[in-house]
Amino acid sequence: GAVVSQHPSRVICKSGTSVKIECRSLDFQATTMFWYRQFPKQSLMLMATSNEGSKATYEQGVEKDKFLINHASLTLSTLTVTSAHPEDSSFYICSAPLVAGALQPQHFGDGTRLSIL
Amino acid sequence: AQSVAQPEDQVNVAEGNPLTVKCTYSVSGNPYLFWYVQYPNRGLQFLLKYITGDNLVKGSYGFEAEFNKSQTSFHLKKPSALVSDSALYFCAVRDMGGNTPLVFGKGTRLSVIA
Repeated sequence: GAVVSQHPSRVICKSGTSVKIECRSLDFQATTMFWYRQFPKQSLMLMATSNEGSKATYEQGVEKDKFLINHASLTLSTLTVTSAHPEDSSFYICSAPLVAGALQPQHFGDGTRLSIL
Repeated sequence: AQSVAQPEDQVNVAEGNPLTVKCTYSVSGNPYLFWYVQYPNRGLQFLLKYITGDNLVKGSYGFEAEFNKSQTSFHLKKPSALVSDSALYFCAVRDMGGNTPLVFGKGTRLSVIA
């Protein structure tokens, strides 16, 4: 069964709206979660690393004021796309390692399809 | 810096035939390699990983991958393809040390034709 739950699965909203996406680890604690963005027919681009209890680490070129990340608990990280515009339309995916360490696979949520009109 | 290359955008194979999805990598140290599969509008599902040990790694759904250090490759294979294997496949590499993120290849779309 799923170990990472992502919600909502799909969002359609007007330009200028802020959208919050939740990523929850189920039955395990995730001190770190990763947020990716996937464009059509392209690979996953890492946006940021979400750290419980501290500020997120953003990749180069990702606007931290545009994509707000909050990791307030050991089982929940949220990504808020502020004042979304059509160019923000994409597929957003979160992931978390079930067990900390480079040798362990990450587990992914089912993604959120964001469509800005 | 680490990187992964998947040279094929698309692979087509007939049902029942063997399939191979190619992946080559570049890392400065020991490679930690992974294969994931993505179905439409879904997240990624873990298939298998190579850390150390046997070069042939067996994973989920009958998939396996062969680690070849001299060729810096980690090709995904399956002896007999199923139509249900049709999906997008990603090869990924991860550096050692802490909760570092995966670096993904661009993905290869596999189509298995009945």
